[in-house]
Amino acid sequence: DGGITQSPKYLFRKEGQNVTLSCEQNLNHDAMYWYRQDPGQGLRLIYYSQIVNDFQKGDIAEGYSVSREKKESFPLTVTSAQKNPTAFYLCASSIDLGTGARYGYTFGSGTRLTVV
Amino acid sequence: DQQVKQNSPSLSVQEGRISILNCDYTNSMFDYFLWYKKYPAEGPTFLISISSIKDKNEDGRFTVFLNKSAKHLSLHIVPSQPGDSAVYFCAALPSYDKVIFGPGTSLSVIP
Repeated sequence: DGGITQSPKYLFRKEGQNVTLSCEQNLNHDAMYWYRQDPGQGLRLIYYSQIVNDFQKGDIAEGYSVSREKKESFPLTVTSAQKNPTAFYLCASSIDLGTGARYGYTFGSGTRLTVV
Repeated sequence: DQQVKQNSPSLSVQEGRISILNCDYTNSMFDYFLWYKKYPAEGPTFLISISSIKDKNEDGRFTVFLNKSAKHLSLHIVPSQPGDSAVYFCAALPSYDKVIFGPGTSLSVIP
């Protein structure tokens, strides 16, 4: 079955540590995205990539980094510079940026990150 | 400042009745709108969309209405079913490739 796999589902991190969230898709989509969801707020865009070896900052990129070395993979690193990292992180993909925006993204099941 | 607002954090509806979820936006340049549905511990799934050149789009039990003069759109679910209980996100496109999501409304359909 085609889809997006995010791992792990739950992640605990100590303050001051970097942590990497995995996102893999087998949909042959060019575009991939990372969103963050906080209670009472909509999904906010962290980073996006429209093609391999290219990525762009979203609205809240500070304290995060990404890489796109393979079409299938778009890992997100939450660095110690992120002031409030506890949140639900969602990865998404689409055929391309415009198609995804108008016809909907395919989302993964998310990773809940908690800083302890 | 939120550009896409969903002022009702939650809504409860009896099974079989109509559910109406509302969304307001601030930018008259938005030209496309979408609704996503999200179950707990899962990612959102695309539900229905509407272009600004239309005022209504229907897909089965789901209908989205757009009132451009009021900068308001609504999602109607008729009849509501317990499986519709989820968080519904309204989203708008300020450009062809960018999406802004609202904060979501949690719908509970009571059997």
